[in-house]
Amino acid sequence: QVQLQESGPGLVKPSQTLSLTCTVSGGSISSGGYYWSWIRQHPGKGLEWIGYIYYSGSTYYNPSLKSRVTISVDTSKNQFSLKLSSVTAADTAVYYCARARLARQAAGIVGMDVWGQGTTVTVSS
Amino acid sequence: QSALTQPASVSGSPGQSITISCTGTSSDVGGYNYVSWYQQHPGKAPKLMIYEVSNRPSGVPDRFSGSKSGNTASLTISGLQAEDEADYYCSSYTSSTVVFGGGTKLTVL
Repeated sequence: QVQLQESGPGLVKPSQTLSLTCTVSGGSISSGGYYWSWIRQHPGKGLEWIGYIYYSGSTYYNPSLKSRVTISVDTSKNQFSLKLSSVTAADTAVYYCARARLARQAAGIVGMDVWGQGTTVTVSS
Repeated sequence: QSALTQPASVSGSPGQSITISCTGTSSDVGGYNYVSWYQQHPGKAPKLMIYEVSNRPSGVPDRFSGSKSGNTASLTISGLQAEDEADYYCSSYTSSTVVFGGGTKLTVL
């Protein structure tokens, strides 16, 4: 059974870069058929999709965050990572990694069927 | 990329049925059969309840069902139970990206 686990600093200073890693266990990130995703949730608010990556390295980002986001994958470590630059207090949130299942012929995303437990990141000096 | 529109809250008594709507546009909900629904209890990660509009993952009770008409998708929970009290989010695929709804708080009276 595939499990995801986020890791990274819980406190980041304003203007710095937030860096998180998601470790995949119980399955290979290179098996195909899935996009590996990052989603965040501001305190007391709804879910916001940040972006996702295929094991080959293809990425798609939320247009509202695209200029500050980089998602990368390390297949040798079975991990994928998020970098969000120039953070402000508005980036304080719980960050989740999740597995998004591809539809047949990669026509779309069926749903996000496995989620990490989430990690809280606070942006403060 | 605008968030999908959901009612902020719905409520129902045990045993009753409720429906949560999720309204988008022809570019997202209306344009693809890739609408999914998530349940989130306080302090927990979201859980996939419905995918591809109306399919239930293994282990999700058949009290949960999904449908779509035009640009609006719906989640119906029948035979409400106390443990169904949670936040529910819809999501749609759209042009290589994903958009979520604002979320609906379900209260079981």
